[in-house]
Formats: sequence, C-alpha cells, structure tokens
Amino acid sequence: AQTVTQSQPEMSVQEAETVTLSCTYDTSENNYYLFWYKQPPSRQMILVIRQEAYKQQNATENRFSVNFQKAAKSFSLKISDSQLGDTAMYFCAFLNYGQNFVFGPGTRLSVLP
Amino acid sequence: DAGVIQSPRHEVTEMGQEVTLRCKPISGHNSLFWYRQTMMRGLELLIYFNNNVPIDDSGMPEDRFSAKMPNASFSTLKIQPSEPRDSAVYFCASSSGLARSYEQYFGPGTRLTVT
Repeated sequence: AQTVTQSQPEMSVQEAETVTLSCTYDTSENNYYLFWYKQPPSRQMILVIRQEAYKQQNATENRFSVNFQKAAKSFSLKISDSQLGDTAMYFCAFLNYGQNFVFGPGTRLSVLP
Repeated sequence: DAGVIQSPRHEVTEMGQEVTLRCKPISGHNSLFWYRQTMMRGLELLIYFNNNVPIDDSGMPEDRFSAKMPNASFSTLKIQPSEPRDSAVYFCASSSGLARSYEQYFGPGTRLTVT
C-alpha cells in the first residue's frame, strides 16, 4: 500500500522569505501523480501544484515549485516570496492510475508579518 | 463552473439521529469521492464512485455509513444512527479522470457535530 509522510507538523516563515515543505512517499508503482493541496482557515481544499511521475522536469506554478526526486521518492514544495495568504495546512497527496488517492498528515504553515 | 457544491455547510445533530450530507460534483466529472477529516486521523478517503458506481468503499468506517450516487450530478453520504465520534468535516471531491485532470476538486466541506 502507498503511504505519504510529511515529517514537519508545523512550520513558520517570515513574509517575503522562502520556505520548503517536505514530503516522502512509498510506492512500488512507476507511473503516478503527486499533488500539493492547500487548506486555508476557510478549510476549502485548493490544488496548488501537480507533478506527473514520468516527467523529469519539476513543476512550477508562479511562486510555488516542487523538487521531485523519483529515486528518493521525495516531493518537496518550495514557496518563494511567502505571503500572509499562504498561511494554511498543506497536504501532499499521491495518486496512482487506479485513482487510489492517499494524503499525507499535513504541515501547518504560518507566514509571519 | 460553480465547483463542487456541498450541503449543508454545518450540521449539528444529536446522537442517534440520521444525518444526510449532499454533494453535487462538477458537471462532466465522472469520479466522485467522499472524505472525512479529523484532527486525529487527518484526511481519510471513505468511498469513491466512478460513473455512478461505487468502486472502493473500504474506507467506510462501519455499517452506519452508507453512500449513494443515483445520477451523475448528485451523491449522498448518510450516517444512521450518528454518534459523537462521527463529528468531523466531510469533503466531497470530483475529478474527470482524464489524463490531464486527475486532480480532484474539493467542495467546501460539511462540518458535522454530533452531540
């Protein structure tokens, strides 16, 4: 069974600085998707970024980028120029082609003014 | 598109009562997922449907929980009888299942409190 681990329950970062959230996963699959979801205090789950395992190039979305290391089964999220609105829970998630979606426990990020 | 719609947003009920949570997926999406989120257990997949058919209900905690999807635009999650330990936020999500769209789109959630 696939598992997703986020080893940082809580993190904080000063506004305008850069922060990296870690995620590791365990799978025997070769083709899969990885996601980062953001859950702000409003509790709405919002997709931040997606990575296909067959792509070597790291995905980027504006201030958000990932460092995908397939061999190490690592999928970290980097947030550049952190903003107060980035304060949220961040969930790393794994999806295989059978649509068995697995979430990590989440990292609570606080952006400090 | 209005996104995934869930109702009610908040539900407070007494132990033993029946609770029905509702979800309308994004039009055109053929997969629908029900999740439960608690502080202790995080985000758990309860059940998912593909083309209105339940594919995997192994996450449903017990027989008190049931889910239906009578058509492509509506699903319900029912708890009967409800218990205080069912208190949680319940999310519905949908996806199109196409190669570029495996990401799931989540509804705003229903916060259930069972007293």
